[in-house]
Amino acid sequence: KQEVTQIPAALSVPEGENLVLNCSFTDSAIYNLQWFRQDPGKGLTSLLLIQSSQREQTSGRLNASLDKSSGRSTLYIAASQPGDSATYLCAVRPDSGYALNFGKGTSLLVTP
Amino acid sequence: DAGITQSPRHKVTETGTPVTLRCHQTENHRYMYWYRQDPGHGLRLIHYSYGVKDTDKGEVSDGYSVSRSKTEDFLLTLESATSSQTSVYFCAISESEGNYGYTFGSGTRLTVV
Repeated sequence: KQEVTQIPAALSVPEGENLVLNCSFTDSAIYNLQWFRQDPGKGLTSLLLIQSSQREQTSGRLNASLDKSSGRSTLYIAASQPGDSATYLCAVRPDSGYALNFGKGTSLLVTP
Repeated sequence: DAGITQSPRHKVTETGTPVTLRCHQTENHRYMYWYRQDPGHGLRLIHYSYGVKDTDKGEVSDGYSVSRSKTEDFLLTLESATSSQTSVYFCAISESEGNYGYTFGSGTRLTVV
């Protein structure tokens, strides 16, 4: 069974800092990996999708990388803002199947 | 997300009563999923559908059933609700091929008392 782990579980940083969120997975046979953001009491918003053949994806201040062979992905947030405060979830879709396996998330607080 | 809606958004029900949650999509995606989210467990798959009338079990399917009679609708039924089914339920949609990720609904917060 695919296990997805996110480190750290919680993170507090001052505004303006660059930060890295980590995601690791045990089975490298993945189709793609997706990063989501979840605000308290809300649904999941897709941030970035990386196909297994890709190394990274960028959207604005966000950059996600994928090292499939080592089972790792990172989400880099540049120049963090208080509005970035949320829980960030990493999810992998396996090669054989369609259901996502989720990590438990990193809760991020960016203080003014 | 505008392409996927869940109803109701909140529900309180009594133990032992049947409950049905609805997921409706306007994206014509083939795959639909029901997840539950609980503190300490994250998101776990309950059931999914890969087409009309085609469904399969996920990781935590006991006590739940699903139906999909139309491409756009996926229903989750708790036959006899228990307190352990108090949770936030999310529906998601996806396509099988191509550069598509998953899109999630806004969730249904279910409380079983």
